[in-house]
Amino acid sequence: EPEVTQTPSHQVTQMGQEVILRCVPISNHLYFYWYRQILGQKVEFLVSFYNNEISEKSEIFDDQFSVERPDGSNFTLKIRSTKLEDSAMYFCASIAGVIDTQYFGPGTRLTVL
Amino acid sequence: DQQVKQNSPSLSVQEGRISILNCDYTNSMFDYFLWYKKYPAEGPTFLISISSIKDKNEDGRFTVFLNKSAKHLSLHIVPSQPGDSAVYFCAASARRSGAGNMLTFGGGTRLMVKP
Repeated sequence: EPEVTQTPSHQVTQMGQEVILRCVPISNHLYFYWYRQILGQKVEFLVSFYNNEISEKSEIFDDQFSVERPDGSNFTLKIRSTKLEDSAMYFCASIAGVIDTQYFGPGTRLTVL
Repeated sequence: DQQVKQNSPSLSVQEGRISILNCDYTNSMFDYFLWYKKYPAEGPTFLISISSIKDKNEDGRFTVFLNKSAKHLSLHIVPSQPGDSAVYFCAASARRSGAGNMLTFGGGTRLMVKP
């Protein structure tokens, strides 16, 4: 069964450093999402991406964040200058069509020291 | 922001009995609701969904009920099995609004099914 994959599973970085989290969505999917879950809190929407542009973003998704689909298979989330409060699980999700169900990847645990 | 709320952080049920997980929402624009199951160190796994035009959807042991007037939905698992022990998240989206199908999640309910 096709699945969303994410790398790395765990990323440790120093505050102020740039990180790139990678996702490979399901191959025929067209809509892509990033969510995050801070330990003990809700899963929160960050951004949605369709047709090579951001379709919606939350207030969390400020200028420090960016997304890209560099090569037609990968979907990346970049945090330009990490802060301690960026420590969280980051989940990628994808769907084939806008009315379909979102399927999630296993997540990347980001730890900012 | 408490647009989707799961008021019970945990639920313990005996194997073979029914598990009922509840979820309330406040945003009238929500028209599609989903339940996800999550194990530690894994991503949410889709279980079952319901559109606002329905009041019930069933898939095997899982049934979701939607009460639009009360802005309430519930997930019933019958019979409950030890393998069902996980955190269950309720999620909602406003698909008609063209908002890109972003999901708003509840805080989760940890279900423990005892053998």
